[in-house]
This record gives sequence, structure tokens and C-alpha cells, in this order.
Amino acid sequence: SQQGEEDPQALSIQEGENATMNCSYKTSINNLQWYRQNSGRGLVHLILIRSNEREKHSGRLRVTLDTSKKSSSLLITASRAADTASYFCATGGIFQGGSEKLVFGKGTKLTVNP
Amino acid sequence: DAGVIQSPRHEVTEMGQEVTLRCKPISGHNSLFWYRQTMMRGLELLIYFNNNVPIDDSGMPEDRFSAKMPNASFSTLKIQPSEPRDSAVYFCASSSGLAGRQNQFFGPGTRLTVL
Repeated sequence: SQQGEEDPQALSIQEGENATMNCSYKTSINNLQWYRQNSGRGLVHLILIRSNEREKHSGRLRVTLDTSKKSSSLLITASRAADTASYFCATGGIFQGGSEKLVFGKGTKLTVNP
Repeated sequence: DAGVIQSPRHEVTEMGQEVTLRCKPISGHNSLFWYRQTMMRGLELLIYFNNNVPIDDSGMPEDRFSAKMPNASFSTLKIQPSEPRDSAVYFCASSSGLAGRQNQFFGPGTRLTVL
């Protein structure tokens, strides 16, 4: 099963509202990353938070990490129609097989209505 | 900065044909990744290289898939023979550090359709 799973699978909000997406994972990690994918495009890195960090900000993005609950959240404040995309969490660490890698969840599809 | 370059962007082929996907990573990056994305399975890591050496190929579906990285600026993913279930978007990504420790830069992807 997936190491990281996003919740909800889909989210529809109005422009100006805040959007919150959650990610849960199963095993120990050394960092967690959030990526964005516009339809038909490659993924774009948004933010990386290390396992010894609890919160990180970048512009309108705020990411939290709770390693005790094995969960993270991505908050986009004052959303814009241009934020419409799929958002993926990815966990970095040593997983099954013993090699260090980045494992992606299936994503949250965010729609921001103008 | 050109970013990660992939070619072709779209490929339509018939079952049984050989397909070769190409990738040029960002100059200076020493890790390269091949992913496959489908609606059903999401984004799957197929293989990754560090300093041109394959480190983890546990995601390669079967022997029909092979990947090479002959030098730091070029990699190929080959499917021979191709099957309809290989239809997907294939992404190449690169990073400046070990997998899982640094952010990755993705190419635009190759949309493969096998008829």
C-alpha cells in the first residue's frame, strides 16, 4: 500500500478561501515534501520539511509535520483560481528494499472556483 | 536553465513494438529518476540512478522494461515489447542529492499510448 496518502482526494473551494490538505504515512521518514501538478504537466516542488521540523512557511503555503501522528498538512491561504491543480505529498526515507527513496501519495485534486 | 528535458512528448505505438523514452537531467544533478503515472496506480518510481549507477530498480514492472544511463547527461527507458497496459505518462526527474533527501525536478513527461 502507499506510504503516503492524501486526504481529501478532491477539494473544491471558492477563490479567497483557505485550502487544507492532509497527508498520512506509515513508516519513519527523514523528510516530507509537497509537490504540485497542473493538468498535463510535470510535478513542481513546493516545500520540504525535515523530520526535526514542525512547521514551515513559503509565501501563502504553510506546512506542518507531526511525526508522532505520522501526518502532515498543507495549507494554502487566500486561494486563487491559479492554485487549481493536484497536490502530492512525498515521503523521503529508507523503505522496503533498504534503499533511500521518495514515495508519492495519490494526490489531492484542488479546484478553486473564481 | 532548461530544466529536465524529455523526448518524445507523445508516443503512440502498436502492441509489440519497441519504445524508447529519453531524458536529459539538469546539468550538475547526480541523481536521475524514472516514474510512471496512471490514474489507477498514481505515481510509481520505476528506477533511479546515482552518479550514473542504477541504485534501485525494484519498481521496474518486468523484464520488458530496461533503463540505461551511459553518462551524466542522458538516460533512456526502453520497453520491448510494449503492451497496452504500459500506456501511461512517464516522467523523468533529477536532483542534486540522494533520493529522498532533496527535492526533485520533473520533466514534462512522455505520454505513451500502446494500441
